[in-house]
Amino acid sequence: NAGVTQTPKFRILKIGQSMTLQCTQDMNHNYMYWYRQDPGMGLKLIYYSVGAGITDKGEVPNGYNVSRSTTEDFPLRLELAAPSQTSVYFCASSYSMVAGSNEQFFGPGTRLTVL
Amino acid sequence: LAKTTQPISMDSYEGQEVNITCSHNNIATNDYITWYQQFPSQGPRFIIQGYKTKVTNEVASLFIPADRKSSTLSLPRVSLSDTAVYYCLVGPLTGTASKLTFGTGTRLQVTL
Repeated sequence: NAGVTQTPKFRILKIGQSMTLQCTQDMNHNYMYWYRQDPGMGLKLIYYSVGAGITDKGEVPNGYNVSRSTTEDFPLRLELAAPSQTSVYFCASSYSMVAGSNEQFFGPGTRLTVL
Repeated sequence: LAKTTQPISMDSYEGQEVNITCSHNNIATNDYITWYQQFPSQGPRFIIQGYKTKVTNEVASLFIPADRKSSTLSLPRVSLSDTAVYYCLVGPLTGTASKLTFGTGTRLQVTL
C-alpha cells in the first residue's frame, strides 16, 4: 500500500492564481482530512470528509474548497491565492472516528508559497 | 472544545526516559486523548491513544489520572531518532471531526 499520497510536493503561486492540491489514499478509509501547518505552529483543520459525497468545514475553511467524488480522492482547491495561504498542506485519512480505528495516516505534505 | 497546553520544548540525553505532560482542564466526558509525533518535513504519525488510567504499546506509555485534566506521554530510553515535535490532541471520537485540534506541540531534542 502506498498509503496517503499528495501532489505536488512544492508549488509557487502568484497572488490571485488558483490551483488544486491532490490527495489519494489506497487504504479504503472513509474519513479524509486537509490540514495546514504554518511555520512553527500546529496543524489546523481546513475541511474533512466522512465519505464520498460528504464534506464539512473545519477550523479554517475560508479561501478553500473541497470535493469527494470517490473514496480514494480528496482534492483541495485554492481559489484566488493570497500570501496568507503560504503554508504546508497535509492530507490525512482514517478508517473512522471511533476509538481504536481513528488513527490518522498523513501524506508527505505540499509546501505552497504565494508571492 | 478542549484546549490543550504543552511545554514548548524539552531536552533529553539519549537513554533517558522522557515524560511530556499535556494539560486539558476542560476535557469532556466523551473526549479521548491522542498523541502524535512529527519529524521535520513529514506529516504527523500516531503514537498512542487513551481514555483513562494507563495505556502502553511498543513505543510509549500514556498515563491519565482519574480527573483526566492532564495526561503524560512517556517515552522509555529515548534515542536521537526520537527528536521530533509531539502533539497532544483531545477530542470526541464519535462526533464531528471539526473539533480536532493540534496545539503547537512540544519540541523534544535528544542529544548524546
